[in-house]
Amino acid sequence: NAGVTQTPKFQVLKTGQSMTLQCAQDMNHEYMSWYRQDPGMGLRLIHYSVGAGITDQGEVPNGYNVSRSTTEDFPLRLLSAAPSQTSVYFCASGQGPFYEQYFGPGTRLTVT
Amino acid sequence: AQSVSQHNHHVILSEAASLELGCNYSYGGTVNLFWYVQYPGQHLQLLLKYFSGDPLVKGIKGFEAEFIKSKFSFNLRKPSVQWSDTAEYFCAVKPSGGYNKLIFGAGTRLAVHP
Repeated sequence: NAGVTQTPKFQVLKTGQSMTLQCAQDMNHEYMSWYRQDPGMGLRLIHYSVGAGITDQGEVPNGYNVSRSTTEDFPLRLLSAAPSQTSVYFCASGQGPFYEQYFGPGTRLTVT
Repeated sequence: AQSVSQHNHHVILSEAASLELGCNYSYGGTVNLFWYVQYPGQHLQLLLKYFSGDPLVKGIKGFEAEFIKSKFSFNLRKPSVQWSDTAEYFCAVKPSGGYNKLIFGAGTRLAVHP
């Protein structure tokens, strides 16, 4: 099993550009989530999904969109990048939110 | 809103010292509690978890945590740290019931000096 994979590992965007961060898992987990990690603020939940076709907002959803068309994939879209979105983004999956979450390696995003 | 507080942002210890990292949460109902660890350059991984039963939970690598419901706390402990414990430690809380969110604290960065 590859576990949770994320692409790209690094990305630099200019303000106003859009892009999609990819996340895939091969463990047949229903629950997937996206976090951003910022110094001194820990991990903050952006969006999460409890199954294909079902998504909901976390603590900091503004500026991000998600969709879940398959169990395996949970892409995160930045609609119009802003410098405040410079962060490390982690995708995670688990059987449910009360089970162990398996984290991907992260995407380091810089918005200039 | 639910929140998780980790009061120690940076902790520096010498090898063989004892460790206790604080975690408090602000949800009044039943909760599931977790500690995750992120070693330098690596993914977050689960250290231990509490769902119910014995409030003293043992995890990997000699770590343990105690759930004190009256204090809304889930502190992480290790009697004798090693240099390899240098990492960032995150407490996380999932309220039971219809909530599907796992809320993380801000993290505590631990540096262990040989």
